Amino acid sequence: EAAVTQSPRSKVAVTGGKVTLSCHQTNNHDYMYWYRQDTGHGLRLIHYSYVADSTEKGDIPDGYKASRPSQENFSLILELASLSQTAVYFCASSGQGRAEQFFGPGTRLTVL
Amino acid sequence: GDSVTQTEGQVALSEEDFLTIHCNYSASGYPTLFWYVQYPGEGPQLLFRASRDKEKGSSRGFEATYDKGTTSFHLRKASVQESDSAVYYCALSDRGSNAKLTFGKGTKLSVKS
Repeated sequence: EAAVTQSPRSKVAVTGGKVTLSCHQTNNHDYMYWYRQDTGHGLRLIHYSYVADSTEKGDIPDGYKASRPSQENFSLILELASLSQTAVYFCASSGQGRAEQFFGPGTRLTVL
Repeated sequence: GDSVTQTEGQVALSEEDFLTIHCNYSASGYPTLFWYVQYPGEGPQLLFRASRDKEKGSSRGFEATYDKGTTSFHLRKASVQESDSAVYYCALSDRGSNAKLTFGKGTKLSVKS
């Protein structure tokens, strides 16, 4: 069974603070993704990676950085959190050449 | 760029009703099409996919047929159950996109018994 875990599951942050969301997969997948989910917008891709030590910008990368230190781990970093970044964040993974993505349970981020 | 349009934002039905959720897409290439389902408190999970024109995808009583002519991939189920209550996402993956998915905005299905 494919497994993607995220930590923390919930976080409250202050405006201007730094936030790091972590994702770990045991699927042996090459591709990993970060999405945010907002009511009325569905899922939007922030950053993705198809190999360790390399990341790519998705459709809404502004205000976010990503880090892929190993095949299993992918982090999303908000250097200066803002109110508009309050959302649910999902990590996903997929195998090379296959588009089916396996999602984690999500992290609910509230920026005050 | 690629895009997916789901017409219905919310659908409310009673058990045993027929379900249709409309999905239309726009892509430069020949995409693979997906339906994902998200239950409360969980991440989305794949329902099924289709890769070529006229191919039917199906799972758990849900089905959709890839129609390149009308650029559509409508989700249907003949008789919904309360347990089908969830958010449904249509998505596409353009084959030259490094496996990126483009999602629609989602349709929240509520089924009452």
